[in-house]
Amino acid sequence: DSGVTQTPKHLITATGQRVTLRCSPRSGDLSVYWYQQSLDQGLQFLIQYYNGEERAKGNILERFSAQQFPDLHSELNLSSLELGDSALYFCASSVGHPQGGYGYTFGSGTRLTVV
Amino acid sequence: GQQLNQSPQSMFIQEGEDVSMNCTSSSIFNTWLWYKQDPGEGPVLLIALYKAGELTSNGRLTAQFGITRKDSFLNISASIPSDVGIYFCAGLKGAQKLVFGQGTRLTINP
Repeated sequence: DSGVTQTPKHLITATGQRVTLRCSPRSGDLSVYWYQQSLDQGLQFLIQYYNGEERAKGNILERFSAQQFPDLHSELNLSSLELGDSALYFCASSVGHPQGGYGYTFGSGTRLTVV
Repeated sequence: GQQLNQSPQSMFIQEGEDVSMNCTSSSIFNTWLWYKQDPGEGPVLLIALYKAGELTSNGRLTAQFGITRKDSFLNISASIPSDVGIYFCAGLKGAQKLVFGQGTRLTINP
C-alpha cells in the first residue's frame, strides 16, 4: 500500500457520460498530480494541485477538470466522454513541490473504460 | 516542453541475463528517478539519484546519474521473472513537475 488511495479501481461508462475519479494523497503530502496512461503509452501529465490551488497544467482536455479540497483529497472530472478517453488514470502525491527529489508516490490507478 | 528519451522501448531477454536501459535529455536535471510499473498498478520508485556522477544500487539494480546531468542509466543484473514490467525514468529540476520517459517494457523468457 503506497498510501495514495484512488477510487474507484475500475469504471465502465458510456460515451457522452461524465465521471469523477477520486484521490486521497499520502498523509502529509500537499501536492497532488494527475496522469493519464493510455494502452502501451507513457505517463501523460494532466494537472497538479498544491494545497488546494492549481499549480501546473499539462495536456489536459477542456472536457476534463480537477480540484483539490481543503482536506487535500482531489477529484478529476471527465465529461462528454469519448472512446479515446479509455485509459488508466493515476494520481500521485508529494510532500510539496518535490524539491530534493523524493519524487512522487503513485496510487494504483483507476481504469476507465468508455463503451 | 521538456522530454526524456528513454531506450530501448522494449526488451526481450532470457532469465538470468543482465539488462541495461538509459534515459537522455536535452535539459539538465538535478534529480533522476527510476520507477517500475507492474501490470495494472501504479509506478513504484526504485532508485533516486541526487548528484551528478552518483552511482546507487538497490539489490540487483544499479543506476547512475550522468556527469553532464542530462542522462541516467539503469542496470538490472541476473534478471528474474518478477523483473517483468515497464521501467520509467523521470527527471526533476527544482520545484517543477517530474518529467517522465516513455518507458522500457521488459519481457523475460524463462
